[in-house]
Amino acid sequence: EDQVTQSPEALRLQEGESSSLNCSYTVSGLRGLFWYRQDPGKGPEFLFTLYSAGEEKEKERLKATLTKKESFLHITAPKPEDSATYLCAVQVSGGYQKVTFGTGTKLQVIP
Amino acid sequence: DGGITQSPKYLFRKEGQNVTLSCEQNLNHDAMYWYRQDPGQGLRLIYYSQIVNDFQKGDIAEGYSVSREKKESFPLTVTSAQKNPTAFYLCASRDQDLRDTQYFGPGTRLTVL
Repeated sequence: EDQVTQSPEALRLQEGESSSLNCSYTVSGLRGLFWYRQDPGKGPEFLFTLYSAGEEKEKERLKATLTKKESFLHITAPKPEDSATYLCAVQVSGGYQKVTFGTGTKLQVIP
Repeated sequence: DGGITQSPKYLFRKEGQNVTLSCEQNLNHDAMYWYRQDPGQGLRLIYYSQIVNDFQKGDIAEGYSVSREKKESFPLTVTSAQKNPTAFYLCASRDQDLRDTQYFGPGTRLTVL
């Protein structure tokens, strides 16, 4: 069974304190790994797609990396507006390109 | 602006009622999805449609129904058979030209009274 595990469940950072969120996965045939940001009461907002081990993507203070077993979302010098829940999802090959989501990491950045 | 719209934002249902959640997209995407989100759980797939007039059950389809008569629209009906319908419902569409990335609408919060 495909599994996606995100850690930690919650993370509290001081403004400017860099850290990383983890997404580990066990799937049969990875087609792609996605990162989303979700604010309370809103739909997930797409951030990155990664496809192969060693790939990296960056956007402002966020950088996503991918290995064969996990992905990291690095947050450099976070600001309070980075506070949100970050979701990881993996897409497997075949069928209807099923996407399995993790339960998310809730990030709080304190001024 | 291209995007996905969902309505209503909040919906209240009495026991025994069917309710329909709307999802419209103008992104020209073929594939559309419905997910349910509960606290502490990942998004779970209810139904998906890869093309007009075709749809398939996802992991938790019991108590739900859908239709796909137009490319732009994928409404979800929550029937009285759904035992615990209170949740946040998300509609998504898939961009085949952007490596199958799914884009989400703003969601509908359904509460059973």
